[in-house]
Amino acid sequence: DAEITQSPRHKITETGRQVTLACHQTWNHNNMFWYRQDLGHGLRLIHYSYGVQDTNKGEVSDGYSVSRSNTEDLPLTLESAASSQTSVYFCASSESGSLNTGELFFGEGSRLTVL
Amino acid sequence: DAKTTQPTSMDCAEGRAANLPCNHSTISGNEYVYWYRQIHSQGPQYIIHGLKNNETNEMASLIITEDRKSSTLILPHATLRDTAVYYCIVRVARSGGSNYKLTFGKGTLLTVNP
Repeated sequence: DAEITQSPRHKITETGRQVTLACHQTWNHNNMFWYRQDLGHGLRLIHYSYGVQDTNKGEVSDGYSVSRSNTEDLPLTLESAASSQTSVYFCASSESGSLNTGELFFGEGSRLTVL
Repeated sequence: DAKTTQPTSMDCAEGRAANLPCNHSTISGNEYVYWYRQIHSQGPQYIIHGLKNNETNEMASLIITEDRKSSTLILPHATLRDTAVYYCIVRVARSGGSNYKLTFGKGTLLTVNP
């Protein structure tokens, strides 16, 4: 079955270190998204991509970057991790064009702790 | 995208119907109403969406008022596993490549009690 997977599921790192969270989907979806979720804030969009080589900033993009070199993957990089980036991160994907119904398919999340 | 308003929390007895309201008074004619839910520590899950007609699937029913300014998600026979945060989102369904994003609010925490 097609799926979307995130790795690692749990990570502890130190302030200032570079961290990359992986997201891989096998639906061949053009659209991919990264959200973070914190208590009191709900889900907030970090970055998104509508296809290979396309990336866009969301509402909380500072300190994060993404790259889209193929359809299946959208890795999220924290260049220099900060304690404020301790959060649960969710990746999602969706169809594009006439196939898009608005439904997003989410991964199981990656819990990141920055000490 | 239109803004939505949901109660912060609701309770429901197991086996009874859970009716979750959502106000979206600024909804535009081409915007759909979507419902997602998030069970604790899991990724959000799509439930249902609709434009103006009532919709039903294996998970839930969606009732949209005639003026489309509000809607209700109905879980007909709530179980303990339905305890989750439920998000009501309004967005254009097929945007032709311009906007596929979904903006999540804080949702309603539904607690199903035994």
